[in-house]
Amino acid sequence: QKEVEQDPGPLSVPEGAIVSLNCTYSNSAFQYFMWYRQYSRKGPELLMYTYSSGNKEDGRFTAQVDKSSKYISLFIRDSQPSDSATYLCAINPWGQAGTALIFGKGTTLSVSS
Amino acid sequence: GAGVSQSPSNKVTEKGKDVELRCDPISGHTALYWYRQSLGQGLEFLIYFQGNSAPDKSGLPSDRFSAERTGGSVSTLTIQRTQQEDSAVYLCASSYHGLAGPYYEQYFGPGTRLTVT
Repeated sequence: QKEVEQDPGPLSVPEGAIVSLNCTYSNSAFQYFMWYRQYSRKGPELLMYTYSSGNKEDGRFTAQVDKSSKYISLFIRDSQPSDSATYLCAINPWGQAGTALIFGKGTTLSVSS
Repeated sequence: GAGVSQSPSNKVTEKGKDVELRCDPISGHTALYWYRQSLGQGLEFLIYFQGNSAPDKSGLPSDRFSAERTGGSVSTLTIQRTQQEDSAVYLCASSYHGLAGPYYEQYFGPGTRLTVT
């Protein structure tokens, strides 16, 4: 079993839709969870990070972690064409410096106007 | 300030040739990481530098791959005798470990797209 699993999509939605992106992970001891957004031909940029279980909201984006299910989610409300990108979940297993991030394969999202 | 920069942005090389990829981290960032992003494989960790030393080289796929960092700043990833399976986007990231708290954001560069023909 891979440490992080993510459905690659692609996912196509109309403008204004609510988008749900998800990852599962294998080790219940993992602690820090991130979502990166990557536009075509660009490097990933950090969108949000969360620690342990619960929700974190930032504007139209909500990150959710359910440690009991080993499931992480990113919700995008009122999606916009500018949200069209690949979304990568990532884990910093122990929240330590110098740790390689473990990435999902990314979900490609397309929002049509 | 300036972000992480990488050069070249694109590199096409013939199988068997050596290539060098360069990364300029954000000024003052002590940690530097190399990742590889292949189609269908996601991002894979290659090597981590703290200052000029590399305490974690566990992701380098073979001895054809090497990296160095000088002056605690610029890093070069070298691939010798390139193979077609080396074709990928090579991403560099840096972070600042002087921050208090447990979280250390990694800032990524735009990557070098390597094509081996």
